[in-house]
Amino acid sequence: KAGVTQTPRYLIKTRGQQVTLSCSPISGHRSVSWYQQTPGQGLQFLFEYFSETQRNKGNFPGRFSGRQFSNSRSEMNVSTLELGDSALYLCASSFWSEETQYFGPGTRLLVL
Amino acid sequence: DAKTTQPPSMDCAEGRAANLPCNHSTISGNEYVYWYRQIHSQGPQYIIHGLKNNETNEMASLIITEDRKSSTLILPHATLRDTAVYYCIVRVSTSDNNTDKLIFGTGTRLQVFP
Repeated sequence: KAGVTQTPRYLIKTRGQQVTLSCSPISGHRSVSWYQQTPGQGLQFLFEYFSETQRNKGNFPGRFSGRQFSNSRSEMNVSTLELGDSALYLCASSFWSEETQYFGPGTRLLVL
Repeated sequence: DAKTTQPPSMDCAEGRAANLPCNHSTISGNEYVYWYRQIHSQGPQYIIHGLKNNETNEMASLIITEDRKSSTLILPHATLRDTAVYYCIVRVSTSDNNTDKLIFGTGTRLQVFP
């Protein structure tokens, strides 16, 4: 069974731009969670989607948003990019919300 | 804030057992202990989890103390490829909307040397 896939793997943007990252969960998984990892803050929870509904949200500004489609694929969007948004963005999927989460390889975003 | 405390770094000789401790003194009765590891710049890899009984799988063993206030992840025969940051996470397994997330601490950087 294929693992969690994330696209693109690497991305370079400039301040003020917006970006959309994509995550395809493991087949059959319905919950998708997003995390941000930076050297200073470590791994931080962004939000979780289950059956196209946001179930949980971390402490991030409204510039960070996401959605989930009927096939469980998820996207996250960051608008008006700031230098501090440079990070590794990780997606994790699980069968149910309470089940073990499996992570994808991440998308490394660099904001210049 | 993370509910776990881990040593920042540990060393282990290749072929020896690596024992990684974790303190979770405020753990509640329905909270699971999860272990993940992250090799540089890759996504975290699930290793094992448990509630109160010791657990073993093909990667590792998890020993949880009787009072559940601490646990130890054991890699029985460490290899160079086990060099990574190991995260111990306490996760509530309920349908409460506020519990479906993993709160990562700073983890333990395990260095396996030849």
